[in-house]
Order: sequence, then C-alpha cells, then structure tokens
Amino acid sequence: AQTVTQSQPEMSVQEAETVTLSCTYDTSENNYYLFWYKQPPSRQMILVIRQEAYKQQNATENRFSVNFQKAAKSFSLKISDSQLGDTAMYFCAFMKGGDSNYQLIWGAGTKLIIKP
Amino acid sequence: DSGVTQTPKHLITATGQRVTLRCSPRSGDLSVYWYQQSLDQGLQFLIQYYNGEERAKGNILERFSAQQFPDLHSELNLSSLELGDSALYFCASRAGGGSGFYGYTFGSGTRLTVV
Repeated sequence: AQTVTQSQPEMSVQEAETVTLSCTYDTSENNYYLFWYKQPPSRQMILVIRQEAYKQQNATENRFSVNFQKAAKSFSLKISDSQLGDTAMYFCAFMKGGDSNYQLIWGAGTKLIIKP
Repeated sequence: DSGVTQTPKHLITATGQRVTLRCSPRSGDLSVYWYQQSLDQGLQFLIQYYNGEERAKGNILERFSAQQFPDLHSELNLSSLELGDSALYFCASRAGGGSGFYGYTFGSGTRLTVV
C-alpha cells in the first residue's frame, strides 16, 4: 500500500525567507501524481502544485516549486520569498496512475508559520 | 468559488442527535469524496461516491452513512452524535483541467460542533 510521510510536524521562518517542506512516499508504481495542498487558517483546502511522475521537470507555480526526486521517492515543496499569507498547514498527497477511483493518499501535514 | 458547494457551513447540535450534511460536486464531475478533519489533524477519508454508487469506504463509523442522489448531490448522515464527532467535514470532487488528474476541488467544509 502507498504511504505518504511528512516528517516535519511544524516549521517557522521569517518573512521573505525561503523554506522547504519535505515529503516522501512509498510506492512500487511507476506512474502516479503528486500534489501539495495548502490549508490556511480559514481551513479552505487549496491546491498549490501538481506533479506528474513521468515528467522529469519540476513543477513551479510562482513562488512555489517542487524538488521531485523519483528514485528517492521524495517530493519537497520550496516556498521562496515567504509571505505572511503562506502561514498554513501544508499537505502532501499521492495518487497512483490508473486508479479508477482517483483516491488521494495524504500525508499528516506540516504546519508552517511565517513570522513578521 | 471552488464549484463544490457544502451546506451548512456551521452546525451545533447536542450529543445523541442526528445531522445531515449536504454537498454538490463541481459541475461536470460525477464524484464525491467525504473527509473528516478533527482540530489540528489531517484528513481522514470517509467515503466516495461516483454517479450514485459507493466506490470506496475509508474509516467511516457505522453511525455514519452517505448517499449520492440522481442529481449528483450527496448527503452525509451522522447519527447518535458524540463529542468526538466534532470536526470539519469536507466534500470534494475531481478538479477540472483536461485529460489526466488534477487533484480534488474541495468545498469550504461544514464545521460540526457537538455539545
């Protein structure tokens, strides 16, 4: 069974700094998807970034980028020039390709606090 | 607006009572996923429906049940409520974006407080 591990329960950085959140996963699949979701204090779940396993290029979305290391089964999220609005829980998620139910497997989350 | 609609946003009820949470998935998607999130916890998958049929079950208590109707809206019924059922209940459906899988689009959740 696939598992997703986020080893950092909580992190805090100063505003404008760069922060990296870690995520590792365990799978024997070759085709899959990986996601980072953000949950700010409003508790709304917001998709941050998506990566398809067959694509070697790391996904980027403005200040958010990933370091996807397929062999190491690692999918870290880098937030550059962090802002107060980045304060949130961040969840890493995995879905194996070909899953007809499109089930996401979730990590436990990392609480990120951006300090002014 | 995510396109996934959940009502009500807040619900306060007493122990032993029964409540119904409602969800309408994103237009064009047939799937509904229900999740429970207790305070400062992760997402616990409860149940999935697709076009009216149950597709997958997670850690859903026997006191909880769900269904998806022909118009694709779904209801999550929670009965014999206990204090520990207090949580945020999310509904999600598949996000749009073309071919491939683009994750889920979530509703804004229903915050249930059992007193």
